[in-house]
Amino acid sequence: DGGITQSPKYLFRKEGQNVTLSCEQNLNHDAMYWYRQDPGQGLRLIYYSQIVNDFQKGDIAEGYSVSREKKESFPLTVTSAQKNPTAFYLCASSGRDRVPYGYTFGSGTRLTVV
Amino acid sequence: AQTVTQSQPEMSVQEAETVTLSCTYDTSENNYYLFWYKQPPSRQMILVIRQEAYKQQNATENRFSVNFQKAAKSFSLKISDSQLGDTAMYFCAFMKHAAGTYKYIFGTGTRLKVLA
Repeated sequence: DGGITQSPKYLFRKEGQNVTLSCEQNLNHDAMYWYRQDPGQGLRLIYYSQIVNDFQKGDIAEGYSVSREKKESFPLTVTSAQKNPTAFYLCASSGRDRVPYGYTFGSGTRLTVV
Repeated sequence: AQTVTQSQPEMSVQEAETVTLSCTYDTSENNYYLFWYKQPPSRQMILVIRQEAYKQQNATENRFSVNFQKAAKSFSLKISDSQLGDTAMYFCAFMKHAAGTYKYIFGTGTRLKVLA
C-alpha cells in the first residue's frame, strides 16, 4: 500500500543532542512537508520541499534542519539549538499539481526531551 | 495575516445524531481552499472534505458536509449519523497560493467525542 512512514513513533532526546526523524513516502509525490503540533495549537510548518535537492524554511524553522537527497525521503533533524523540541511531528506529502487537493500525512513522531 | 478560528475546543454527540463543528477564517484573498482534517487517536491526519472558494455549492462526502458562507468567512462541518469511529480531533484549514507555493493555515482543533 502507498503511504508515508514516519519513524520512530516515539523518540527521547537528551539535552544538547541532535536527533533525526525519518519520513519516507512511496507515493511518488514531489512535495514533502514537516509540521510541528503542540497541544492547543494548530499545525505549524517547519520546512517544505517541492523537489529533490531543494527545500524552503517554513514558519518555525529555527533549530531544525532538513535534506532532500531522494524523492521519497525527507528527514528532519532537531538540533540542540531548538529550545523547546518536545512536540508531535508530522510529515506530509503531495503531488506537485495536487497540493490544492490536500496532503497525505504520516502517523507522526512524538519527541520528548529528557 | 490569515487566521483560522475554531471556537469549540471540545464537543460531544450521541451516536447516530448530527453535530456541527464551527470554523471561521480571516483573509483578504478571493481564491483559496478550505479543508477539514480528522486526527483520530492514531494521530494520523486524514482529509475529510475540501471546498474551493470559487464554488458556491457546498461540498459533501457521504455523512460529511460543509456550510460554506464566503461573505461571512465561515466554513462549518456537519457530521450526520455520527459513528463511534468519528471520535477524533478535527482541524479546519485554509490554503492559499502565493509566491509560487501553497500554504496551509490550521485552526487549533475541536475534539469531538461520539457517545454510545
